[in-house]
Amino acid sequence: DTGVSQDPRHKITKRGQNVTFRCDPISEHNRLYWYRQTLGQGPEFLTYFQNEAQLEKSRLLSDRFSAERPKGSFSTLEIQRTEQGDSAMYLCASSVLRDSLNEQYFGPGTRLTVT
Amino acid sequence: DQQVKQNSPSLSVQEGRISILNCDYTNSMFDYFLWYKKYPAEGPTFLISISSIKDKNEDGRFTVFLNKSAKHLSLHIVPSQPGDSAVYFCAASGSKRIQGAQKLVFGQGTRLTINP
Repeated sequence: DTGVSQDPRHKITKRGQNVTFRCDPISEHNRLYWYRQTLGQGPEFLTYFQNEAQLEKSRLLSDRFSAERPKGSFSTLEIQRTEQGDSAMYLCASSVLRDSLNEQYFGPGTRLTVT
Repeated sequence: DQQVKQNSPSLSVQEGRISILNCDYTNSMFDYFLWYKKYPAEGPTFLISISSIKDKNEDGRFTVFLNKSAKHLSLHIVPSQPGDSAVYFCAASGSKRIQGAQKLVFGQGTRLTINP
């Protein structure tokens, strides 16, 4: 299967701890996105990369959040000093830049629970 | 500011009949629209999309209609099957010519239940 993969699938952490999630996009996709989804809502955009460049960050992304995409391949999303409000599903998606519709393909997500 | 709205949180349809899911948007800069399907504990799965230069796109049992003047799109599923039971999200994005416009803006989702 060559879809988007995310690791871990589930993470339980105590408030104040740091967590890091990984996303591996579809291999030929040069764009990578992070979204967050809470119960009863649609996914909300956090940030995106084109190759290794981080081109946009949402106002939702506080300074406790940082994302990287070294060498334009996999990406990591780190949350420092987690808070209970950070509990959510964190989704990664990838797409390829071409003259077609902006179809983004999602991974299975990482469910974060902050206790 | 909810730029993409799905006003029906749930919809129940008989197997074999047509399912119609609706979505409204407010931002006239949106020019690509997509529908995703989501099962519990999985990421959204891309279903079908449409560009603002079209008013209809069809793929098998799925058809998306776009009414730009009304800022409204709909997804038709015919015939509906039990495996279609899931949460459906519509999403919109802006022109690729504008940096930052490629992010998807999602509606809140509609839970579709297909009854046998």
